[in-house]
Amino acid sequence: AQKVTQAQTEISVVEKEDVTLDCVYETRDTTYYLFWYKQPPSGELVFLIRRNSFDEQNEISGRYSWNFQKSTSSFNFTITASQVVDSAVYFCALNTGNQFYFGTGTSLTVIP
Amino acid sequence: DTGVSQDPRHKITKRGQNVTFRCDPISEHNRLYWYRQTLGQGPEFLTYFQNEAQLEKSRLLSDRFSAERPKGSFSTLEIQRTEQGDSAMYLCASSPGSVLTSYEQYFGPGTRLTVT
Repeated sequence: AQKVTQAQTEISVVEKEDVTLDCVYETRDTTYYLFWYKQPPSGELVFLIRRNSFDEQNEISGRYSWNFQKSTSSFNFTITASQVVDSAVYFCALNTGNQFYFGTGTSLTVIP
Repeated sequence: DTGVSQDPRHKITKRGQNVTFRCDPISEHNRLYWYRQTLGQGPEFLTYFQNEAQLEKSRLLSDRFSAERPKGSFSTLEIQRTEQGDSAMYLCASSPGSVLTSYEQYFGPGTRLTVT
């Protein structure tokens, strides 16, 4: 069975703190894709990153970084020096075949 | 604006009525997806089109739900005999795609359905 678990339901941090959002996935497929999306209070989901199962290189984009570890089936997301604009719900998603599986999301609040 | 658009943005209907939602994807995208999202949950996959062909349909999708994508452009999602449990945000997304590669999806603003 395919599944994505985001164990952290809500996180609050003070501005400029670093924060890591956890994502654990389950699949028996050898070819799959992982994604992170941001859903700000306005509601529209925004794509952040895509990773395929054969590429375990970590990635950094500005204040955002992602750590993909197949050994632990995890795809964690770190925001460095958080800002108030980072406040949103963040979803991790798994794509295998033609189906997509989203986690339940982590609501991040950055306090000024 | 060349993003994904959905219409209507809000729909209130009485239990038992039929409703239809429309999605216009990004024009060059050949893949189109429908999701349902309820409060506090992630999007739940409903169905997927590659051009005009419906290639995947969630097992959770009731027979009251049907989707079409004529000519591989816009898509419609119809819910027949609505129930209160159908109240949710219905999201449409599109992406480019090929047989071998999955690309990121671009989401529309959603249609919020309230069944009274």
